[in-house]
Amino acid sequence: EPEVTQTPSHQVTQMGQEVILRCVPISNHLYFYWYRQILGQKVEFLVSFYNNEISEKSEIFDDRFSVERPDGSNFTLKIRSTKLEDSAMYFCASKFRQGSNQPQHFGDGTRLSIL
Amino acid sequence: SQQGEEDPQALSIQEGENATMNCSYKTSINNLQWYRQNSGRGLVHLILIRSNEREKHSGRLRVTLDTSKKSSSLLITASRAADTASYFCATDRPPRGSTLGRLYFGRGTQLTVWP
Repeated sequence: EPEVTQTPSHQVTQMGQEVILRCVPISNHLYFYWYRQILGQKVEFLVSFYNNEISEKSEIFDDRFSVERPDGSNFTLKIRSTKLEDSAMYFCASKFRQGSNQPQHFGDGTRLSIL
Repeated sequence: SQQGEEDPQALSIQEGENATMNCSYKTSINNLQWYRQNSGRGLVHLILIRSNEREKHSGRLRVTLDTSKKSSSLLITASRAADTASYFCATDRPPRGSTLGRLYFGRGTQLTVWP
């Protein structure tokens, strides 16, 4: 069964540095998302992306965050000037199409640790 | 806030017993989805129920939705030790503007099934 793939599984970065989290969504999916989960807390929406542009972003997704779909397969989340509070599990998700019966499929996540 | 909220926060049962988890939410929804998360892993989609549906089955899973009470329940019958995981409900809202169905997650129920 096709799946969403995320790399790396664990990223350790010094505070202030830039980090790029990578995702390969399911190949025929058109809608892409990033969520994060701080340890012990809820999964929180960051951003949705369709047709090469951001559709919606949350208040967490400040100007240090950006997303890109550089080619037909990858979907990346970049965080500049990382902060300690960016430490979390970051999940990529994709969906085939819009509609009320379409689930989002999640990857296994990247654990980001900011030191 | 539209986030789903699950209860109980933790549930501990013996193999073979049924497990029931509940979810409540606050605003109108397009659909409600249940996800499972094994420790340190990603979110696995279990079942989606649309706002015009009242009950749905998938294998040992049974989901109900009561939109008048803004609540849902997930029943796992004949539980197994392998069902041990966190279970989350997630809601989205009816389409408005360019919303691509961002999901709002609850804090989850930690289910432990003892052999």
